[in-house]
Amino acid sequence: EAGVAQSPRYKIIEKRQSVAFWCNPISGHATLYWYQQILGQGPKLLIQFQNNGVVDDSQLPKDRFSAERLKGVDSTLKIQPAKLEDSAVYLCASSFYFGLAWSQYFGPGTRLLVL
Amino acid sequence: AQTVTQSQPEMSVQEAETVTLSCTYDTSESNYYLFWYKQPPSRQMILVIRQEAYKQQNATENRFSVNFQKAAKSFSLKISDSQLGDTAMYFCAFMNPGGGADGLTFGKGTHLIIQP
Repeated sequence: EAGVAQSPRYKIIEKRQSVAFWCNPISGHATLYWYQQILGQGPKLLIQFQNNGVVDDSQLPKDRFSAERLKGVDSTLKIQPAKLEDSAVYLCASSFYFGLAWSQYFGPGTRLLVL
Repeated sequence: AQTVTQSQPEMSVQEAETVTLSCTYDTSESNYYLFWYKQPPSRQMILVIRQEAYKQQNATENRFSVNFQKAAKSFSLKISDSQLGDTAMYFCAFMNPGGGADGLTFGKGTHLIIQP
């Protein structure tokens, strides 16, 4: 079974530029998450999708961050304009329920450096 | 809002020893899940073990086991017969499945180093 795919793996940009990240979840997983992991910290949830609808975006800085999940499969996360403090690893994850069990699977992440 | 605290930024043990990583959490919910995730250097996050709060029995996965103390809101991870490949960041995470928003709340992590 293929895992969660993300691209690009690395990105370096200047502050005030824009950047976009792509995620393809595990086939059949209806729920998709974007997390931000700043160096030395645990991941922080930015946004959660159920199919193509937003379930939780309470921690998404909406003045500069946007995300979409068209057709309920792939998702893109965009930052415009980027700030120095946006330097982090952006993790995509997807999940499924099986009986009463719940599991969330993570992609390899996109490492962003804002100069 | 839930919080997860990992009070050990770094731990180091010899290969084959047993090590316990600590995690405490704060929540007013009665139904939730707790997880330990492993993040090896420059590699992706993988699930180590999962505990459902309604289950009294502690979860076990091969060399990994948890000590879940619901009243104390404590969820520690024990790694037996530690191996060099266990070297990684370990994150404790909380999830409340109520209401459909089930993103994870993570602690800051513990860097575990297994020495040869």
